[in-house]
Amino acid sequence: EAQVTQNPRYLITVTGKKLTVTCSQNMNHEYMSWYRQDPGLGLRQIYYSMNVEVTDKGDVPEGYKVSRKEKRNFPLILESPSPNQTSLYFCASGSLPASSYNSPLHFGNGTRLTVT
Amino acid sequence: AQSVSQHNHHVILSEAASLELGCNYSYGGTVNLFWYVQYPGQHLQLLLKYFSGDPLVKGIKGFEAEFIKSKFSFNLRKPSVQWSDTAEYFCAVNAEAGNMLTFGGGTRLMVKP
Repeated sequence: EAQVTQNPRYLITVTGKKLTVTCSQNMNHEYMSWYRQDPGLGLRQIYYSMNVEVTDKGDVPEGYKVSRKEKRNFPLILESPSPNQTSLYFCASGSLPASSYNSPLHFGNGTRLTVT
Repeated sequence: AQSVSQHNHHVILSEAASLELGCNYSYGGTVNLFWYVQYPGQHLQLLLKYFSGDPLVKGIKGFEAEFIKSKFSFNLRKPSVQWSDTAEYFCAVNAEAGNMLTFGGGTRLMVKP
């Protein structure tokens, strides 16, 4: 089954404690992206990647890091989480160009992060 | 840079009522337009998309949307909503077939049985 898998689904942590949210896709997609979803603000893009070792900043990259060492994985890293990073995070993947007609983005089930 | 506005943040309707959710974008060039739906506790799913051709596009579950270029709008419609349509709806734009998909703030729809 084609899917984007994120882990964990829920995470509660404290300020400053480094964490990683994993994302894996089994569709051989070149394009992967991370979004955060906040009430009234919709989804805002954090980082995206067009292929292995190619990453670019989205609209809200501050406080986040990503890596793309393998095509299927695109982890999101928070080196020093802060309370304003409390949010719902979604990973997505697709073929290039992003959101092409025959290959819209596939989303993971989300990770709800709380930073206290 | 492109941006997307959804002016209705919350909409409450009774079953069988007609639905129209507004979406306006700001970008002067070629755009691809999408509506995604997020049912409670689930991830986003594509509802419909517009790339070119007929500006009236039909999606799944009886939804349709009309692209009006002169108004920079891509409103979502459904003639008769059902309780199962309760969800949050997001409009999104991809400019010039680039690699960023920009979402609106979302509209939370509640359909009363």
